[in-house]
Amino acid sequence: EIVLTQSPGTLSLSPGERANLSCRSSQSVISSYLAWYQQKPGQAPRLLIRGAYTRAPGIPGRFSGSGSGTDFTLTIHRLEPEDFAVYYCQQFGTSPLYTFGQGTRLEIK
Amino acid sequence: QVQVVQSGAEVKKPGASVKVSCKTSGYTFTGHYIHWVRQAPGQGLEWMGRINPNDGGTKNTQNFHGRVTMTSDTSSSTAYMELSNLKSDDTAVYFCAREGGSGFHFDYWGQGTLVTVSS
Repeated sequence: EIVLTQSPGTLSLSPGERANLSCRSSQSVISSYLAWYQQKPGQAPRLLIRGAYTRAPGIPGRFSGSGSGTDFTLTIHRLEPEDFAVYYCQQFGTSPLYTFGQGTRLEIK
Repeated sequence: QVQVVQSGAEVKKPGASVKVSCKTSGYTFTGHYIHWVRQAPGQGLEWMGRINPNDGGTKNTQNFHGRVTMTSDTSSSTAYMELSNLKSDDTAVYFCAREGGSGFHFDYWGQGTLVTVSS
């Protein structure tokens, strides 16, 4: 089973700053199989990035994904107030087919 | 536009079963897998399984020990997830989500269904 470990658990930043969220896999992941989601309280997750790098339709350009192999990063280049939320990475593997990281909480400093 | 709408909250006793529906519209239902993901209170996301509405084929995680049954009805573009022999730690929000066209991610999600298991 592939385990995804996200860090930090909580990230405290101010609007306008840049956020770097890490997702590390216990085994190498094909980039096409890595996605990122944003979840706000009481809401369903929202797809941000698919295939490690490709923004989903309607996602602002300040969100970008990078990385390969076992290390992936979600960067939010200039934080807006609406960006403070929990972020999850997700990968497609074997058994189970899909796993999520435990999440990074991005909070206002 | 794509819409995914789930059934309402449920309260069940331990040992009972619950069936959650996921009604879709705005796209060809048989063209995309539907996945089920749950989230216990204050916790992260857990993938449960998926169904191919085109042929009814399913794959799910072993974590539920055969307690999960996923079905679909192409006439109403609706997917269903039934969880049996409920335990208190099955209390969670259950989401359905459509798999994106290029695969390996979930692009449209239902609003979630809270299932509470309590005696």
